[in-house]
Amino acid sequence: ETGVTQSPTHLIKTRGQQVTLRCSSQSGHNTVSWYQQALGQGPQFIFQYYREEENGRGNFPPRFSGLQFPNYSSELNVNALELDDSALYLCASSLQFPGLSNEQFFGPGTRLTVL
Amino acid sequence: AQSVAQPEDQVNVAEGNPLTVKCTYSVSGNPYLFWYVQYPNRGLQFLLKYITGDNLVKGSYGFEAEFNKSQTSFHLKKPSALVSDSALYFCAVRDLYSGAGSYQLTFGKGTKLSVIP
Repeated sequence: ETGVTQSPTHLIKTRGQQVTLRCSSQSGHNTVSWYQQALGQGPQFIFQYYREEENGRGNFPPRFSGLQFPNYSSELNVNALELDDSALYLCASSLQFPGLSNEQFFGPGTRLTVL
Repeated sequence: AQSVAQPEDQVNVAEGNPLTVKCTYSVSGNPYLFWYVQYPNRGLQFLLKYITGDNLVKGSYGFEAEFNKSQTSFHLKKPSALVSDSALYFCAVRDLYSGAGSYQLTFGKGTKLSVIP
């Protein structure tokens, strides 16, 4: 196990609702990234937070937003849910310094179903 | 822009035989390459990475990968497959110099490996 935890494990919402997913990073890691993995696809990068600031964003609309807290835990918020938002959402943590990148360690994911 | 292609949706191999899972990549600069494995209902588990140095990289569980710059490939290999290796395998790439701090990984679509007893 990586030490990255996510909650909840599963979640069912309806279109138009809002959802918050949570992630606890591996101890000592200062960077968290969020990915969306649709069924049968590879993970797609949503955004990354480094020291509590957004540090890169993929091709996702503004209704996907996030936070990173001083203890390096993180939230992913999705507003106005759409059916296509149904996916496995993965959180990954890593230890970064400027100019140096290390591998990311993934949590088990949150399975979101939008009805 | 960076991209990854895994040309095989599924690879079947008999237990004890060598296995290869293929990956090709495209980046504008120097690549930073990874292999991850995903078991059912689980997150991704890191197997190995290539930054610089030897073209043959050794990783977890007896897996290794060969970096080939001229062919822009990073194929995953194992000399002798186990039934427990059956899982979904993802190749990922990052441009080593894609900007301070940003660590966007681009993943392939994945290859399902089935090891037959």
